Parts: sequence; structure tokens; C-alpha cells
Amino acid sequence: SYVLTQPPSVSVAPGKTARISCGGNNIGSKSVHWYQQKPGQAPVLVIYYDIDRPSGIPERFSGSNSGNTATLTISRVEAGDEADYHCQVWDSPSDHWVFGGGTKLTVL
Amino acid sequence: EVQLVESGGGLVQPGGSLRLSCAASGFTVSSNYMSWVRQAPGRGLEWVSIIYSGDSTYYADSVKGRFSISRHNSKNTLYLQMNNLRPQDTAVYYCARSAGGAASNFDYWGQGTLVTVSS
Repeated sequence: SYVLTQPPSVSVAPGKTARISCGGNNIGSKSVHWYQQKPGQAPVLVIYYDIDRPSGIPERFSGSNSGNTATLTISRVEAGDEADYHCQVWDSPSDHWVFGGGTKLTVL
Repeated sequence: EVQLVESGGGLVQPGGSLRLSCAASGFTVSSNYMSWVRQAPGRGLEWVSIIYSGDSTYYADSVKGRFSISRHNSKNTLYLQMNNLRPQDTAVYYCARSAGGAASNFDYWGQGTLVTVSS
């Protein structure tokens, strides 16, 4: 089965740039979606189809996907960005969704 | 306005059964791809099951043969029948709508319902 690997945690100072990786075998050939989840809340979509931002999501959030790694980049990090971030891909051979293990973003 | 409201969670003994419901409003469940996703305490998201608009269903290996996804069109409600529950099934269960086809992102999620499997 397809596996997505995320770092358990990423820490960044306010105003700096956070990069959260999502590794998978030839993930660049798949579409990656990213969700933000704050404690006690349901996930919220922040990036879809690798690079697209839903309305209402700040331009500070961006995505990329190539080779074996997809990356969620958050520029000019704010305290309110502190949350868990999850990547997601569709594994078409098995008709299964796959999530990464999630990354806790801490704003120092 | 699109809304998803889960219900049916609770405490159940190992080996027991539970049926979760996800009442939808603002769209038609039968016209969309709908999934169940769970999150064990302190853990990441785990996809559980999907039902296509065309009625095909698929399951994670961890629940295959024990869980069953279905929908009631006139009630506009999604269900997850969970049988032979195990302690490792303890989690918050979310229903979610796919924005388009099978590979499209989830655009709406419910608030979740907690299932606790314990003796």
C-alpha cells in the first residue's frame, strides 16, 4: 500500500517561513491535498491539487510537488498558523485515500 | 449552506456494534463521493471508507469485512455500520465530502463523533 511520510513536528519563529514535507514514492505523479487542523476541530483544506488555494486561505500558504516530495510552505508565519498539517493523496490502483501521519507546526 | 452532522458515537464493548450517521444538508449525498475518516486520540487522520456516487464502496484494510458504508437517499444521510469493534477502533469519526471525483479534495467535513471501544 502507498505510504506518505511527514515529519512529526516543525518549529518556526514568527515571521519566518515554515516548510512541511510529505514524502511518497513518485508522489510528483499524484495530486496532493493539504489540511490544517487545530485542536478539537475538523480539518480545513489549505492547498488542493498540489498548488491551489481555496478562497479564504491566505496567500502565505503555498504548495509544490515534485519527485518523491510534496511541500507545504507557509510564509511569514503567524501564531494563528500553529496547528497540525496533514497531506493526502488518492492511491488509484487501490481506490484508497492515504493520509500522511501529520505534522505539528509550533510557532516559537 | 453545506453542512454535515455526525451522530451515533459512544462507548461500546469490544466485539460490539455501532452505527454512525452523517446527516447532510445543502447538497445531495447520492450525487457525491462521500468518505469516513477517523482520528485516534493524539494520532493522525486515517481514511476508513468511501462510497461513490455510483454506489461502489471501498475500505481501508484495517476495517474491511467489519465496517460497511451506505447511504439513505431520501434521508440524505450517510452511514457507517461498524461491527466486531476493537479497542484500536477508538477514534473521532468524521464524514467528509469530496469536491468532485474520487481523487478530489475533501471540501466539507462534519464536526466528528467519538467512538470509544472499551470494556
